[in-house]
Amino acid sequence: SQKIEQNSEALNIQEGKTATLTCNYTNYSPAYLQWYRQDPGRGPVFLLLIRENEKEKRKERLKVTFDTTLKQSLFHITASQPADSATYLCALDEPSGAGSYQLTFGKGTKLSVIP
Amino acid sequence: EADIYQTPRYLVIGTGKKITLECSQTMGHDKMYWYQQDPGMELHLIHYSYGVNSTEKGDLSSESTVSRIRTEHFPLTLESARPSHTSQYLCASSEVRGTEKLFFGSGTQLSVL
Repeated sequence: SQKIEQNSEALNIQEGKTATLTCNYTNYSPAYLQWYRQDPGRGPVFLLLIRENEKEKRKERLKVTFDTTLKQSLFHITASQPADSATYLCALDEPSGAGSYQLTFGKGTKLSVIP
Repeated sequence: EADIYQTPRYLVIGTGKKITLECSQTMGHDKMYWYQQDPGMELHLIHYSYGVNSTEKGDLSSESTVSRIRTEHFPLTLESARPSHTSQYLCASSEVRGTEKLFFGSGTQLSVL
Protein backbone atom coordinates (compact mmCIF):
# COMPACT_ATOMS: atom_id res chain seq x y z
CA SER A 1 0.00 0.00 0.00
CA GLN A 2 0.99 3.60 -0.43
CA LYS A 3 3.25 5.12 2.23
CA ILE A 4 3.02 8.87 2.76
CA GLU A 5 5.62 10.90 4.66
CA GLN A 6 5.08 14.51 5.66
CA ASN A 7 8.35 16.27 6.34
CA SER A 8 8.04 16.93 10.01
CA GLU A 9 5.54 16.58 12.78
CA ALA A 10 5.81 20.26 13.70
CA LEU A 11 6.95 23.41 11.95
CA ASN A 12 7.31 26.83 13.61
CA ILE A 13 7.64 29.97 11.51
CA GLN A 14 7.50 33.71 12.04
CA GLU A 15 4.41 35.62 10.96
CA GLY A 16 4.76 37.03 7.45
CA LYS A 17 7.16 34.32 6.27
CA THR A 18 6.38 31.57 3.78
CA ALA A 19 5.66 28.15 5.25
CA THR A 20 6.66 25.16 3.12
CA LEU A 21 5.33 21.70 3.94
CA THR A 22 6.47 18.53 2.19
CA CYS A 23 4.59 15.38 1.27
CA ASN A 24 6.50 12.38 -0.11
CA TYR A 25 5.01 9.10 -1.28
CA THR A 26 6.74 5.83 -1.97
CA ASN A 27 4.86 3.73 -4.47
CA TYR A 28 2.90 4.39 -7.63
CA SER A 29 2.06 7.95 -8.65
CA PRO A 30 -1.50 8.90 -7.79
CA ALA A 31 -3.89 10.47 -10.27
CA TYR A 32 -4.29 13.41 -7.91
CA LEU A 33 -3.12 14.65 -4.55
CA GLN A 34 -5.06 16.69 -2.01
CA TRP A 35 -4.24 18.94 0.93
CA TYR A 36 -6.48 19.40 3.96
CA ARG A 37 -6.38 21.59 7.05
CA GLN A 38 -7.35 20.15 10.43
CA ASP A 39 -7.89 22.19 13.60
CA PRO A 40 -7.79 20.52 17.04
CA GLY A 41 -10.90 18.47 17.75
CA ARG A 42 -12.35 19.10 14.28
CA GLY A 43 -12.61 17.22 11.01
CA PRO A 44 -10.25 18.03 8.13
CA VAL A 45 -11.25 20.74 5.67
CA PHE A 46 -10.37 20.44 1.98
CA LEU A 47 -7.96 23.08 0.65
CA LEU A 48 -6.54 22.15 -2.75
CA LEU A 49 -6.40 19.30 -5.25
CA ILE A 50 -3.68 18.91 -7.86
CA ARG A 51 -3.73 16.35 -10.67
CA GLU A 52 -0.76 14.33 -11.92
CA ASN A 53 -0.57 16.36 -15.14
CA GLU A 54 -0.49 19.69 -13.25
CA LYS A 55 2.78 21.15 -11.99
CA GLU A 56 1.32 23.87 -9.79
CA LYS A 57 -1.98 25.04 -8.34
CA ARG A 58 -2.75 28.29 -6.51
CA LYS A 59 -5.55 29.55 -4.32
CA GLU A 60 -5.15 32.94 -2.66
CA ARG A 61 -2.05 32.62 -0.39
CA LEU A 62 -1.77 28.87 -0.97
CA LYS A 63 0.33 27.13 -3.61
CA VAL A 64 0.77 23.42 -4.25
CA THR A 65 3.31 21.77 -6.53
CA PHE A 66 3.36 18.17 -7.68
CA ASP A 67 6.54 16.44 -8.95
CA THR A 68 5.79 12.87 -10.03
CA THR A 69 9.49 12.23 -10.73
CA LEU A 70 10.49 13.07 -7.17
CA LYS A 71 7.21 11.59 -5.84
CA GLN A 72 6.72 14.77 -3.88
CA SER A 73 4.26 17.59 -3.32
CA LEU A 74 5.11 20.91 -1.71
CA PHE A 75 2.49 23.05 0.02
CA HIS A 76 3.27 26.74 0.49
CA ILE A 77 1.51 29.37 2.57
CA THR A 78 2.79 32.85 1.75
CA ALA A 79 2.55 35.81 4.15
CA SER A 80 1.65 33.40 6.94
CA GLN A 81 -0.63 34.53 9.76
CA PRO A 82 -1.25 33.14 13.25
CA ALA A 83 -4.68 32.04 11.99
CA ASP A 84 -2.89 29.65 9.63
CA SER A 85 -1.74 27.62 12.64
CA ALA A 86 -3.21 24.13 12.24
CA THR A 87 -2.28 20.62 11.14
CA TYR A 88 -2.03 20.17 7.38
CA LEU A 89 -2.70 16.76 5.88
CA CYS A 90 -1.60 15.39 2.56
CA ALA A 91 -3.84 12.77 0.93
CA LEU A 92 -3.68 10.78 -2.27
CA ASP A 93 -5.81 8.23 -4.04
CA GLU A 94 -5.05 4.54 -3.87
CA PRO A 95 -6.78 1.71 -5.75
CA SER A 96 -9.10 -0.31 -3.56
CA GLY A 97 -10.17 -2.89 -6.11
CA ALA A 98 -12.87 -3.12 -8.81
CA GLY A 99 -11.76 0.16 -10.35
CA SER A 100 -12.47 2.23 -7.26
CA TYR A 101 -10.07 4.45 -5.32
CA GLN A 102 -9.79 5.52 -1.70
CA LEU A 103 -7.90 8.36 -0.11
CA THR A 104 -4.84 7.59 2.00
CA PHE A 105 -3.80 10.31 4.45
CA GLY A 106 -0.43 11.27 5.88
CA LYS A 107 0.04 11.97 9.60
CA GLY A 108 0.14 15.68 8.94
CA THR A 109 2.44 18.55 9.82
CA LYS A 110 1.48 20.82 12.71
CA LEU A 111 2.19 24.39 11.69
CA SER A 112 2.57 27.13 14.28
CA VAL A 113 2.83 30.72 13.07
CA ILE A 114 4.43 32.89 15.74
CA PRO A 115 3.38 36.56 15.93
CA GLU B 1 -19.07 25.08 5.92
CA ALA B 2 -19.86 21.45 5.07
CA ASP B 3 -23.40 20.17 5.63
CA ILE B 4 -22.41 16.98 7.37
CA TYR B 5 -23.28 16.39 10.99
CA GLN B 6 -22.07 13.95 13.59
CA THR B 7 -23.60 13.23 16.97
CA PRO B 8 -22.64 13.03 19.71
CA ARG B 9 -19.49 15.20 19.72
CA TYR B 10 -18.22 13.48 22.85
CA LEU B 11 -19.19 10.13 24.35
CA VAL B 12 -17.88 8.47 27.51
CA ILE B 13 -19.20 4.99 28.03
CA GLY B 14 -18.48 1.83 29.99
CA THR B 15 -17.07 -1.40 28.62
CA GLY B 16 -19.60 -3.75 27.07
CA LYS B 17 -22.16 -1.10 26.11
CA LYS B 18 -23.66 -0.92 22.64
CA ILE B 19 -23.23 2.45 20.95
CA THR B 20 -24.26 4.05 17.68
CA LEU B 21 -22.47 7.06 16.24
CA GLU B 22 -24.70 9.12 13.98
CA CYS B 23 -23.70 10.79 10.72
CA SER B 24 -25.97 12.70 8.36
CA GLN B 25 -25.32 14.84 5.30
CA THR B 26 -27.67 17.11 3.40
CA MET B 27 -25.60 17.43 0.23
CA GLY B 28 -27.07 14.40 -1.54
CA HIS B 29 -23.65 12.76 -1.77
CA ASP B 30 -23.61 9.12 -2.80
CA LYS B 31 -20.33 8.14 -1.20
CA MET B 32 -19.83 8.21 2.57
CA TYR B 33 -16.95 7.14 4.80
CA TRP B 34 -15.96 6.48 8.39
CA TYR B 35 -12.38 7.21 9.46
CA GLN B 36 -10.71 6.54 12.79
CA GLN B 37 -8.00 8.89 14.05
CA ASP B 38 -5.82 8.69 17.16
CA PRO B 39 -3.93 11.79 18.42
CA GLY B 40 -1.00 12.68 16.15
CA MET B 41 -1.75 9.81 13.82
CA GLU B 42 -3.12 9.54 10.31
CA LEU B 43 -6.75 8.91 9.46
CA HIS B 44 -7.56 5.25 8.83
CA LEU B 45 -10.52 4.26 6.68
CA ILE B 46 -12.72 1.73 8.49
CA HIS B 47 -15.93 1.72 6.40
CA TYR B 48 -17.32 3.27 3.23
CA SER B 49 -20.44 3.17 1.14
CA TYR B 50 -21.13 3.89 -2.54
CA GLY B 51 -24.82 4.47 -1.93
CA VAL B 52 -27.97 3.01 -0.41
CA ASN B 53 -27.57 -0.66 0.61
CA SER B 54 -23.84 -0.55 -0.19
CA THR B 55 -21.25 -0.97 2.58
CA GLU B 56 -17.58 -1.96 2.37
CA LYS B 57 -14.81 -2.44 4.91
CA GLY B 58 -11.81 -0.16 4.76
CA ASP B 59 -8.12 -0.80 5.26
CA LEU B 60 -8.22 -0.78 9.04
CA SER B 61 -9.88 -3.76 10.60
CA SER B 62 -12.71 -2.68 12.85
CA GLU B 63 -15.21 -4.44 15.04
CA SER B 64 -17.80 -1.83 14.18
CA THR B 65 -20.59 -2.20 11.63
CA VAL B 66 -22.35 0.31 9.42
CA SER B 67 -25.61 0.55 7.51
CA ARG B 68 -26.84 2.73 4.64
CA ILE B 69 -30.61 2.61 4.40
CA ARG B 70 -30.98 6.24 3.33
CA THR B 71 -28.63 8.33 1.20
CA GLU B 72 -28.20 10.99 3.86
CA HIS B 73 -27.61 8.70 6.86
CA PHE B 74 -24.59 6.46 7.63
CA PRO B 75 -24.55 5.34 11.27
CA LEU B 76 -21.72 3.33 12.84
CA THR B 77 -22.45 0.77 15.57
CA LEU B 78 -20.26 -0.94 18.14
CA GLU B 79 -22.08 -3.90 19.68
CA SER B 80 -19.82 -4.14 22.72
CA ALA B 81 -17.49 -1.22 23.38
CA ARG B 82 -13.99 -1.85 24.75
CA PRO B 83 -11.22 0.53 25.91
CA SER B 84 -9.31 -0.25 22.67
CA HIS B 85 -12.16 1.47 20.79
CA THR B 86 -11.28 4.80 22.39
CA SER B 87 -10.53 7.14 19.49
CA GLN B 88 -11.90 9.93 17.35
CA TYR B 89 -14.35 8.83 14.66
CA LEU B 90 -14.76 11.05 11.61
CA CYS B 91 -17.53 10.77 9.05
CA ALA B 92 -17.12 12.14 5.53
CA SER B 93 -18.92 12.27 2.21
CA SER B 94 -17.96 12.99 -1.37
CA GLU B 95 -19.85 14.09 -4.45
CA VAL B 96 -17.80 13.15 -7.46
CA ARG B 97 -16.39 9.66 -7.47
CA GLY B 98 -13.43 10.64 -9.63
CA THR B 99 -11.87 13.37 -7.51
CA GLU B 100 -12.79 12.08 -4.05
CA LYS B 101 -12.80 15.55 -2.47
CA LEU B 102 -14.08 14.82 1.01
CA PHE B 103 -16.33 16.83 3.28
CA PHE B 104 -15.84 15.90 6.94
CA GLY B 105 -18.03 16.19 9.98
CA SER B 106 -16.66 17.52 13.27
CA GLY B 107 -16.10 14.03 14.62
CA THR B 108 -17.12 12.02 17.68
CA GLN B 109 -14.54 11.61 20.42
CA LEU B 110 -15.27 8.24 22.02
CA SER B 111 -13.85 7.21 25.39
CA VAL B 112 -14.54 3.70 26.66
CA LEU B 113 -13.75 3.18 30.32
